[in-house]
Amino acid sequence: DTAVSQTPKYLVTQMGNDKSIKCEQNLGHDTMYWYKQDSKKFLKIMFSYNNKELIINETVPNRFSPKSPDKAHLNLHINSLELGDSAVYFCASSVGGRTDTQYFGPGTRLTVL
Amino acid sequence: GDSVTQMEGPVTLSEEAFLTINCTYTATGYPSLFWYVQYPGEGLQLLLKATKADDKGSNKGFEATYRKETTSFHLEKGSVQVSDSAVYFCALKNTGNQFYFGTGTSLTVIP
Repeated sequence: DTAVSQTPKYLVTQMGNDKSIKCEQNLGHDTMYWYKQDSKKFLKIMFSYNNKELIINETVPNRFSPKSPDKAHLNLHINSLELGDSAVYFCASSVGGRTDTQYFGPGTRLTVL
Repeated sequence: GDSVTQMEGPVTLSEEAFLTINCTYTATGYPSLFWYVQYPGEGLQLLLKATKADDKGSNKGFEATYRKETTSFHLEKGSVQVSDSAVYFCALKNTGNQFYFGTGTSLTVIP
């Protein structure tokens, strides 16, 4: 069984469209995250959710909105897509606690044309 | 604020060469330290970790020692293989449960 899964794996869309990326974890973790990785492999945290409560919200545009229907899911919705949104988006989860590890999904490569 | 600084790449080595990727950190309190590896086309996965000073994390021939006095967590491997070609990320998790990642170091091992 896949621990952290994301769909879709690839997403190609036009500027101005609205799209969503789904993430599910079957590890029973309390905290889930969204990261954006640019073409230079730089990893930037976007959001994290702990027990359905947003606890980190970095300075990302408000066109990006995380939605967590339950503890096992954290979806990322993006409105009015822009060229600069093209990147690989990773979902991750962790139990919590200082020594804990994050488990990453396989990534979603978003291309905005 | 807390941060992680790791050596810039890309790094290119011949098979069986010795690898060092430097990582230093800034944090208040006592963070946990991690190395993650990202193989081409995949997500990040934990390579090793250390949770207190002088701990050594090790996995798949890679090692890193938590050095509080130098605030460092350098990654080493005695003999790299082609299959080690990947991007390596140093990271810390602070006492506030926040993760900070370095910028990543790309390693290419040539036969």
